[in-house]
Amino acid sequence: EPEVTQTPSHQVTQMGQEVILRCVPISNHLYFYWYRQILGQKVEFLVSFYNNEISEKSEIFDDQFSVERPDGSNFTLKIRSTKLEDSAMYFCASRRLADTDTQYFGPGTRLTVL
Amino acid sequence: SQQGEEDPQALSIQEGENATMNCSYKTSINNLQWYRQNSGRGLVHLILIRSNEREKHSGRLRVTLDTSKKSSSLLITASRAADTASYFCATDRYNAGNMLTFGGGTRLMVKP
Repeated sequence: EPEVTQTPSHQVTQMGQEVILRCVPISNHLYFYWYRQILGQKVEFLVSFYNNEISEKSEIFDDQFSVERPDGSNFTLKIRSTKLEDSAMYFCASRRLADTDTQYFGPGTRLTVL
Repeated sequence: SQQGEEDPQALSIQEGENATMNCSYKTSINNLQWYRQNSGRGLVHLILIRSNEREKHSGRLRVTLDTSKKSSSLLITASRAADTASYFCATDRYNAGNMLTFGGGTRLMVKP
């Protein structure tokens, strides 16, 4: 069964550094999402992406964040200058255009900012 | 409370017992979904109930939805040690992106 994959599984970075988290959505999916979960807290929506543009974004998704679909398979989340509070688990999700109900989540990337 | 709040926050039961988790939300929804997360792992979709449905079953899972009370419950029957995980409800308010709003989760421990 097709799955959403994410790399790396764990990323450690120094405060102020840029990080790029990568996701490969399921191949026939056209809607993509990023969520994050700070340790012990809720899963929070960051951004949704469709047709090469941001569909919706939350207050968390400020100018330090950007998303891109650089090719036909990858979907990336970039954090330009990481802060300690960016430490979290970041989940990518995707869904088919016609199926508005079901988002398929990847296993997550654990980002640790030191 | 915020959109999608679960209670209890933690639940410990013996194998074979039933586990009931509740979720409350504030706004109108398109559907409500339940997810499972094993410690430090990804989110696994369990079941979805639409706003015009009142009850849904899937294997040992039973979900109810009361839109008048803006609440839902997830019942896991005949629990197993392997059911030990965190369970989250997530609401989908119809919008351009169908973003999900998650609750704080219930940590379920099933003791063998």
